[in-house]
Amino acid sequence: EAQVTQNPRYLITVTGKKLTVTCSQNMNHEYMSWYRQDPGLGLRQIYYSMNVEVTDKGDVPEGYKVSRKEKRNFPLILESPSPNQTSLYFCASRWGLAASTDTQYFGPGTRLTVL
Amino acid sequence: AQKVTQAQTEISVVEKEDVTLDCVYETRDTTYYLFWYKQPPSGELVFLIRRNSFDEQNEISGRYSWNFQKSTSSFNFTITASQVVDSAVYFCALSDLYKGGGKLIFGQGTELSVKP
Repeated sequence: EAQVTQNPRYLITVTGKKLTVTCSQNMNHEYMSWYRQDPGLGLRQIYYSMNVEVTDKGDVPEGYKVSRKEKRNFPLILESPSPNQTSLYFCASRWGLAASTDTQYFGPGTRLTVL
Repeated sequence: AQKVTQAQTEISVVEKEDVTLDCVYETRDTTYYLFWYKQPPSGELVFLIRRNSFDEQNEISGRYSWNFQKSTSSFNFTITASQVVDSAVYFCALSDLYKGGGKLIFGQGTELSVKP
């Protein structure tokens, strides 16, 4: 089954304690992205990757890091989480930009609370 | 600037009523894609439809229909004979093919509550 998986699904942590949210897709997609969802703001892109070892900042990258060492995995790293990073996070993947392939598949979401 | 506006923050209807969710977008691009996603209370994002900018045909899928009008930059979503299971947050989104690796720009979302 084609899917994007994220772990953990729920996480409560404290300010400053480093954490990683994993994301994996089994569709051999080149493009992967992280979004955060906040009330009244919809979803906003944090970082994206066009392929292995190719990553770039999205609209709200402050306080986050990513890596893309393998095509299937795109972890989101919070080196020193702060309460304003409390949010619902989604990983997404897509094959490419061509018309027939521009459907983005989203993971189930990770609800993060930083105390 | 690329932007999506969903002016209706919350809508409440009674079961079997028809309801239309509004979506207005702004883009400088001539080629773009528009999407609707549903987010039920469980939190996942469910893909509903993708429409490209060259296809202005309206689409119907069961009780769902979409009205795409380039002249008014709108892509509205209508649920006919709403059901309680339609209760969710609905997002309209626009693809930016030239920035963010083709990121999606989301509206703020419309929370639909369908009461029995």
